[in-house]
Amino acid sequence: KNQVEQSPQSLIILEGKNCTLQCNYTVSPFSNLRWYKQDTGRGPVSLTIMTFSENTKSNGRYTATLDADTKQSSLHITASQLSDSASYICVVSASTGGFKTIFGAGTRLFVKA
Amino acid sequence: DTGVSQDPRHKITKRGQNVTFRCDPISEHNRLYWYRQTLGQGPEFLTYFQNEAQLEKSRLLSDRFSAERPKGSFSTLEIQRTEQGDSAMYLCASSVTPLSGSGETQYFGPGTRLLVL
Repeated sequence: KNQVEQSPQSLIILEGKNCTLQCNYTVSPFSNLRWYKQDTGRGPVSLTIMTFSENTKSNGRYTATLDADTKQSSLHITASQLSDSASYICVVSASTGGFKTIFGAGTRLFVKA
Repeated sequence: DTGVSQDPRHKITKRGQNVTFRCDPISEHNRLYWYRQTLGQGPEFLTYFQNEAQLEKSRLLSDRFSAERPKGSFSTLEIQRTEQGDSAMYLCASSVTPLSGSGETQYFGPGTRLLVL
């Protein structure tokens, strides 16, 4: 069964600290993995996208890693800011003839002053 | 271009009524997706179009749901005989067909939040 599981479900950190969010998937055959940031009441916004051959990609203070062998990805946020408070969603797509994109439930991040 | 837009942003309706949502994708994006998202969950795929053709529909899309993209530009999602369980955020996203070997980035709209009383 194709699944995307994220951990932790929620996380509270102090402003300025770093954090790492995890994503494990069983989607096959793998095509690409994306991380999205979703502010409350708004649509998701893409942060990074990685294909099979990429194992790290950065977007400012966000760095995503991908281990296609263990089917794991992480999103590392450096020097967190209050505006980082949001849900972070891991999305994995399969390379099939049909549409197969699985969304994780997200990690809810709260950054406190 | 200001991105994907959706209308209305909020909709409150009584059970049994019909509702229709509109999505305007980013210009020249040939793919358009509809998702449903409930509180605390990630988006769930409903259906997608490539140009005007509806290529795939999820099992979540019961016969009360219908989506159209008549001219390959904007799309509408209609829910007939709404039920309380239809209350959710309905998200639209658009993209361009990726080059072989590259990933596809979907650009999401702000969503339409539906509340069925």
